[in-house]
Amino acid sequence: GENVEQHPSTLSVQEGDSAVIKCTYSDSASNYFPWYKQELGKRPQLIIDIRSNVGEKKDQRIAVTLNKTAKHFSLHITETQPEDSAVYFCAASIPWGSYIPTFGRGTSLIVHP
Amino acid sequence: NAGVTQTPKFRILKIGQSMTLQCAQDMNHNYMYWYRQDPGMGLKLIYYSVGAGITDKGEVPNGYNVSRSTTEDFPLRLELAAPSQTSVYFCASSYSTTDTNTEAFFGQGTRLTVV
Repeated sequence: GENVEQHPSTLSVQEGDSAVIKCTYSDSASNYFPWYKQELGKRPQLIIDIRSNVGEKKDQRIAVTLNKTAKHFSLHITETQPEDSAVYFCAASIPWGSYIPTFGRGTSLIVHP
Repeated sequence: NAGVTQTPKFRILKIGQSMTLQCAQDMNHNYMYWYRQDPGMGLKLIYYSVGAGITDKGEVPNGYNVSRSTTEDFPLRLELAAPSQTSVYFCASSYSTTDTNTEAFFGQGTRLTVV
């Protein structure tokens, strides 16, 4: 099955700095890579996703890049703000049969004012 | 659309008691999942279902059971509760075919304490 590794487990930055979270996946058939944000005490919610036919996607201060050859994808947050503090999960999924998304272990992002 | 609805939000169980966590979705999603999340940890898959009448074990199924009699509902049953089952439980759903797949939508979670 798919295996997703996520790094770092904790990331501490100053407000205004950039943050980068990296994930690698094992199955080259994976074609959908969502990122979820989980605020304290809340449910995980999608913030951005990318499909395998695209190399980069941006949405305001967040962006995701995908390198299919190396089998890794990254989340980039620019101009971080305290409200960006949360746990971020990456996931990878394969589009057939007993598909289930495989999640990374999560990154706790702390943005210091 | 209510999305994914979980009940209850909080529950305290005594060791050995049983309970059912309810999960319902109104998005006509074929896939449904149950995860547990221990403090400071990631999401561990307990059980999942790819459609009505079909369920399968995830990473940590021991002590739990599920059923999927309808597309909408995916209850999680805890038998003989143990302190190790103290956790936050999330139900989720998504839509997947052989050509495409979508994001997972999560319920608001159930915080369960076994004492």
